[in-house]
Amino acid sequence: AQTVTQSQPEMSVQEAETVTLSCTYDTSESDYYLFWYKQPPSRQMILVIRQEAYKQQNATENRFSVNFQKAAKSFSLKISDSQLGDAAMYFCAQQSNFGNEKLTFGTGTRLTIIP
Amino acid sequence: DADVTQTPRNRITKTGKRIMLECSQTKGHDRMYWYRQDPGLGLRLIYYSFDVKDINKGEISDGYSVSRQAQAKFSLSLESAIPNQTALYFCATSGTSGADNEQFFGPGTRLTVL
Repeated sequence: AQTVTQSQPEMSVQEAETVTLSCTYDTSESDYYLFWYKQPPSRQMILVIRQEAYKQQNATENRFSVNFQKAAKSFSLKISDSQLGDAAMYFCAQQSNFGNEKLTFGTGTRLTIIP
Repeated sequence: DADVTQTPRNRITKTGKRIMLECSQTKGHDRMYWYRQDPGLGLRLIYYSFDVKDINKGEISDGYSVSRQAQAKFSLSLESAIPNQTALYFCATSGTSGADNEQFFGPGTRLTVL
């Protein structure tokens, strides 16, 4: 069974600073995808960034980047130049590339931006 | 217009009532999913459908049923609602494997069972 663990229920960062959210996962598969979703107070689930496990290069989307350590089964999200609009719940998720391809989510990290 | 819509957005009902949550999508995706979100537990999969003739149970399907009326429509029913089904419910859609496997979520339905 797949599991995703986010060990930081809450994090805070000063505006314009950098913050890193942690995520570890467990799977027996070799081919899978990893995602970070953002859920602002509007409760909409918004994809922030995705990583394909067979790609060694870490994914980057503007101010968001990941540190993907496949051997350690670690997938952290770094947010640079934090903005007030980054305040939200952040969920790490894993998706198998075979079978039902459902998303397995972590329990989330609530990020607060301090002005 | 939103690509994935859910109705209703909020619903309060009583124990024992039958309730249906509806999901529609204009993305042309074959795959649709229903998730439930509870505080501190993240999102968990209830049911998923890869096409109109393929419906499968997720990890928490007890007490729920679904219907895939068309490629674009996937509804979730609670035959006899109970208070511990109070949660935020999300519908999601995706294309097939590989680069098109990103799941797009609807805005969610907040359900309260009294």
